[in-house]
Amino acid sequence: QSALTQPASVSGSPGHSITISCTGTSSDVGGYNYVSWYQQHPGEAPKLMIYDVNNRPSGVSNRFSGSKSGNTASLTISGLQAEDEADYYCSSYTTSSTLVFGGGTKLTVL
Amino acid sequence: QQQLQESGPGLVKPSETLSLTCTVSGGSISRSSYYWGWIRQPPGKGLEWIGSIYYSGTTYYNPSLKSRVAISVDTSNDQFSLILTSVTAADTAVYYCARLFYRNLCPDSWGQGTLVTVSS
Repeated sequence: QSALTQPASVSGSPGHSITISCTGTSSDVGGYNYVSWYQQHPGEAPKLMIYDVNNRPSGVSNRFSGSKSGNTASLTISGLQAEDEADYYCSSYTTSSTLVFGGGTKLTVL
Repeated sequence: QQQLQESGPGLVKPSETLSLTCTVSGGSISRSSYYWGWIRQPPGKGLEWIGSIYYSGTTYYNPSLKSRVAISVDTSNDQFSLILTSVTAADTAVYYCARLFYRNLCPDSWGQGTLVTVSS
């Protein structure tokens, strides 16, 4: 299985919004509404931020939102804050009953 | 709130077998809503799903690792384990154990991770 495609890096200013894309195929992202997003700060374990394309776990800020169109999913962070600076990964369930991750995107808050 | 903790050697020699155990606390591993899995992250690189197991023993593995991986579960001790054979330097990574939603394998709770280095 091939990794999902994410941009290597994105950046934005405090208070602004950014969007990170995650592109797969009809066998993963396009085939199911089972895309998730994770935030990882240096030296820490990943934290689930979005599941099932656009659902937030309890405790996750509503500044984080997700969407999907065809084989591409997106994570949008609005009202950027300094603590949002981290690596972000997407994942998707696949037709083979496996899980595939994206390559990760480094978010820099300017 | 369930918690997960990895344990095992931090150093493995090339061609040998990597073995890790994940201990689940705060609730039984036999909960029907979850799979249990392993995910790794080489230093400075991205996440890679290794495989998952249900408490009944049903397993799914990453096709790229399937020939070298085995995951098992010990429900009496609320533990599950990873075996990776014939390791090379490319297997050096932080290994995370995680709880996964049953219906979509989404990891919603992670262990802190343990670094395993493959070196002679």
